[in-house]
Amino acid sequence: DGGITQSPKYLFRKEGQNVTLSCEQNLNHDAMYWYRQDPGQGLRLIYYSQIVNDFQKGDIAEGYSVSREKKESFPLTVTSAQKNPTAFYLCASSTFSGTGSGYTFGSGTRLTVV
Amino acid sequence: GIQVEQSPPDLILQEGANSTLRCNFSDSVNNLQWFHQNPWGQLINLFYIPSGTKQNGRLSATTVATERYSLLYISSSQTTDSGVYFCAVGPIYNQGGKLIFGQGTELSVKP
Repeated sequence: DGGITQSPKYLFRKEGQNVTLSCEQNLNHDAMYWYRQDPGQGLRLIYYSQIVNDFQKGDIAEGYSVSREKKESFPLTVTSAQKNPTAFYLCASSTFSGTGSGYTFGSGTRLTVV
Repeated sequence: GIQVEQSPPDLILQEGANSTLRCNFSDSVNNLQWFHQNPWGQLINLFYIPSGTKQNGRLSATTVATERYSLLYISSSQTTDSGVYFCAVGPIYNQGGKLIFGQGTELSVKP
């Protein structure tokens, strides 16, 4: 079955560490996205990519970095510059324009700073 | 930027009841989606509905783009309908498929 796989489900980060969240899709979607969700809040866009080797900042990109070397993969690195990284991170994919019913989310990664 | 407001923020229903969730947005959109987030955090796409009306089983949605609102109807609610319902929009001036999410409506259906 086609879908999006995020790993790990839970991640613990020490102060000053960089960590990388994995996102892989086999839906043949052009576009991929990273969203952050804080408790009781809606989702906010971190980064998105519509084609390989190109990506754009979202509303809250500071302290995060991404790469898009393959169509199927869009990893997110949470750097030590992100001062409040504890949150639920969701990866999504869609058609190039994002329209239509195929906008699909992974099951998320819960990141906690210890 | 565009503002997305959902109401009510919380809703408690008895199983079998009907409900209407509302989403208001402040600018023209070419993309509007409704999602359901289950208690484990998974988001499921319910409807892509930038205008018009759609139905899928006990759920239906209507978007009146000229008046900048969308409604999600849940009929004969079941405990499995519990979770958070999000409206998300893509403004006309958007580049790409990035969505702006509302704060959500948290629904609890009691047996």
